[in-house]
Amino acid sequence: QVQLVESGGGVVQPGRSLRLSCVASGFIFSNYGMHWVRQAPGKGLEWVAIIWNGGDNEQYADSVKGRFIISRDNSKNTLYLQMNSLRVEDTAVYYCVREFNGVGPDFWGQGTLVTVSS
Amino acid sequence: DIVMTQSPLSLSVTLGQPASISCRSSQSLVHSSGNTYLNWFQQRPGQSPRRLIYKVSNRDSGVPDRFSGSGSGTDFTLKISKVEAEDVGVYYCLQGTQWPPWTFGQGTKLEIK
Repeated sequence: QVQLVESGGGVVQPGRSLRLSCVASGFIFSNYGMHWVRQAPGKGLEWVAIIWNGGDNEQYADSVKGRFIISRDNSKNTLYLQMNSLRVEDTAVYYCVREFNGVGPDFWGQGTLVTVSS
Repeated sequence: DIVMTQSPLSLSVTLGQPASISCRSSQSLVHSSGNTYLNWFQQRPGQSPRRLIYKVSNRDSGVPDRFSGSGSGTDFTLKISKVEAEDVGVYYCLQGTQWPPWTFGQGTKLEIK
């Protein structure tokens, strides 16, 4: 079955960096685009970024553009999110989500919590 | 960016009664392909979101048939024919027609009366 397992969350000071990882299994990872979606505590869902299956095309939400970098290693079935210049408002659970063939996100991981605080 | 607006934001329903959630988009969600990329997600307390419906009315595998989606253009609805206790949670609509960004509705919290 499809599994997405995120890791790398934690507490970090404003202005610092953090890298999230997501290991995929149960499907052919290299055939699918992958998203990061986040959810601030007690709030709704916010799309963050997507990387398409080949890894050569990415798009970002305006709120993270220029600070976050999405990447993937298809040989390791792993998705990454490099988060730089972190802000308090980046505090959220970050979900790794599979893109369903242009229809939109379908399967979600369990999420990893990032807390940005001094 | 397309703005998605859900209503109501909270819903209290008696077990066995129907529930309906509206989602409106600021622009038509009809894609140039002719498809409409409007999806619905359920997030139970303490869990990750789970997709229920894709392309307006297609139920995902394993989703009970009491869940149905309908609508067109800018107006969409998620209906639960008879609410069960396991349906408690927050429901989100998502547009995937015009991106980036993919945009979610604010969420509708369903509770049992």
